[in-house]
Amino acid sequence: AQTVTQSQPEMSVQEAETVTLSCTYDTSENNYYLFWYKQPPSRQMILVIRQEAYKQQNATENRFSVNFQKAAKSFSLKISDSQLGDTAMYFCAFMKAGTYKYIFGTGTRLKVLA
Amino acid sequence: GAVVSQHPSWVICKSGTSVKIECRSLDFQATTMFWYRQFPKQSLMLMATSNEGSKATYEQGVEKDKFLINHASLTLSTLTVTSAHPEDSSFYICSPDQGGRAGKNIQYFGAGTRLSVL
Repeated sequence: AQTVTQSQPEMSVQEAETVTLSCTYDTSENNYYLFWYKQPPSRQMILVIRQEAYKQQNATENRFSVNFQKAAKSFSLKISDSQLGDTAMYFCAFMKAGTYKYIFGTGTRLKVLA
Repeated sequence: GAVVSQHPSWVICKSGTSVKIECRSLDFQATTMFWYRQFPKQSLMLMATSNEGSKATYEQGVEKDKFLINHASLTLSTLTVTSAHPEDSSFYICSPDQGGRAGKNIQYFGAGTRLSVL
């Protein structure tokens, strides 16, 4: 069975600074996808970034980037130039290829301070 | 992007009553629907997977007789919480299979339904 672990329940960062959220996972699968989702106070799940396990290159989306270490089963999210609107709950998620089912971590509550 | 409509957004009911939650895919057909549950300050946990025209598959520990899922059409799936009790109070989120429209292996989510059972 796959597991996803987020060891930081809460984090805070000053506006315009950079913050890194940690995520580790455990799987015996070789073909899978990893995601970071944002859940703001509205509770709507919003995709932040996605990484295919077969790709060595780290995914980037504007201010968001990941550090994907497949051998270490680590998938951290870096948010650069943090903005107040980044305040939210962030979930790391694993998906086995072909299933469309997510396994979510417990989440990290990020607060961006003005 | 794909539009997923989930209704109601918030419902309060008395213990023992049943509540129906609807999830619609507005601009695509979803043969598969995933239903998640999120307890306060916790993560999303998959409850069940429904396929249009067939019985749903429930995750371990989820009572199929309490959480009735109907996926009668390619654009509508419903989750009915039967004989609700306070411990069923939670946030329920649907996620229709958008068949690759949003990009490979990316799923969209409904806005969720907050259920409060008194």
